[in-house]
Amino acid sequence: EAGVVQSPRYKIIEKKQPVAFWCNPISGHNTLYWYRQNLGQGPELLIRYENEEAVDDSQLPKDRFSAERLKGVDSTLKIQPAELGDSAVYLCASSENSGSVSDTQYFGPGTRLTVL
Amino acid sequence: GDSVTQMEGPVTLSEEAFLTINCTYTATGYPSLFWYVQYPGEGLQLLLKATKADDKGSNKGFEATYRKETTSFHLEKGSVQVSDSAVYFCALSDRTNAGKSTFGDGTTLTVKP
Repeated sequence: EAGVVQSPRYKIIEKKQPVAFWCNPISGHNTLYWYRQNLGQGPELLIRYENEEAVDDSQLPKDRFSAERLKGVDSTLKIQPAELGDSAVYLCASSENSGSVSDTQYFGPGTRLTVL
Repeated sequence: GDSVTQMEGPVTLSEEAFLTINCTYTATGYPSLFWYVQYPGEGLQLLLKATKADDKGSNKGFEATYRKETTSFHLEKGSVQVSDSAVYFCALSDRTNAGKSTFGDGTTLTVKP
């Protein structure tokens, strides 16, 4: 079974430039998460989708971040414009059961973003 | 809000030593608790979980017991191996916001032969 796929794995951009990250979850998983992980810290949730609906985007900086999950499968996270403080690893995860607190999340390898 | 506090690392042990990584949490309800592990160059993966008080999660020789009275979920292993070197994250999932997870900052474990 294929795992969560993310691309690119690494991205280096200059500040004020746009950037996009792509995620393809495990087939059949209804829930998709985007996290940001700063160096030396745990993942912090940015947005959670149940199918194509964003059910929790309270931590997403909406002035510069946007996300979409068309057709309830793969998802794109965009930053425009990027700032120096956006340098981090962006993680995508998926889980099978909608709204289950005991559900296991399956993580992709992440995209390491460096903003110069 | 919810929070997870892990013992600070890094932790360095010799092979076959006993491991404990402390984790305490704060949550409004009755969360599910998880330990995730991140091996070098890989994504986070579930190590074990417990969904209610007094449950014990176990996997690959690791164990953790959900202690509601002390709001803790400490990770233990009786005899670590070099291959256990990784970053370990304690996390909770909040029943009041189903599916929303809060992670600790991770503890880096290095096991030397």
